[in-house]
Amino acid sequence: NAGVTQTPKFRILKIGQSMTLQCTQDMNHNYMYWYRQDPGMGLKLIYYSVGAGITDKGEVPNGYNVSRSTTEDFPLRLELAAPSQTSVYFCASSYLGGSSYEQYFGPGTRLTVT
Amino acid sequence: KNEVEQSPQNLTAQEGEFITINCSYSVGISALHWLQQHPGGGIVSLFMLSSGKKKHGRLIATINIQEKHSSLHITASHPRDSAVYICAVDRYGGATNKLIFGTGTLLAVQP
Repeated sequence: NAGVTQTPKFRILKIGQSMTLQCTQDMNHNYMYWYRQDPGMGLKLIYYSVGAGITDKGEVPNGYNVSRSTTEDFPLRLELAAPSQTSVYFCASSYLGGSSYEQYFGPGTRLTVT
Repeated sequence: KNEVEQSPQNLTAQEGEFITINCSYSVGISALHWLQQHPGGGIVSLFMLSSGKKKHGRLIATINIQEKHSSLHITASHPRDSAVYICAVDRYGGATNKLIFGTGTLLAVQP
């Protein structure tokens, strides 16, 4: 299994540009998450999904959109990039369940908006 | 005040030392996670626990639910243990495994 994969690894965007961060998992996990990690701060949840066709906002959703058309893929869309979106983005997945389950993380995407 | 607090923020140790990283939280939880983030950026889950103690190799994690406190111990530390260690909690009653993260403890183990 490849686990959770993310592309691209690095990206530089100009203010106002758009892009999609790709995330794919091959573990048949129902739950998927997008986080951002800023220096000196804990990971913050942007959006999450509990299954194909179901998404919901996390703590910091403004400026982002997601979709979940398949179990495997959970892309994150930035529509009008702003310098405040400069961050490292992590995708993660876990098993469905009422109890807490381990989350598996992708390698991250380092995004700079200038 | 953050709901999850870690201490210390930075820690430097000599190879072979016993290391303790602490995590305190202020919400009711169903589980607590310890994660490791290496300099390359990748994050891996070390432990998930809701009571007592777990051990994996040289790593030991304990949790005291009444005191809302957890510790991560590393015995016989090695330079390859150098990483950021992150505590995260799964708030009680949540069905979606939405974690609240601490800001991490940066550990450097010198040879």
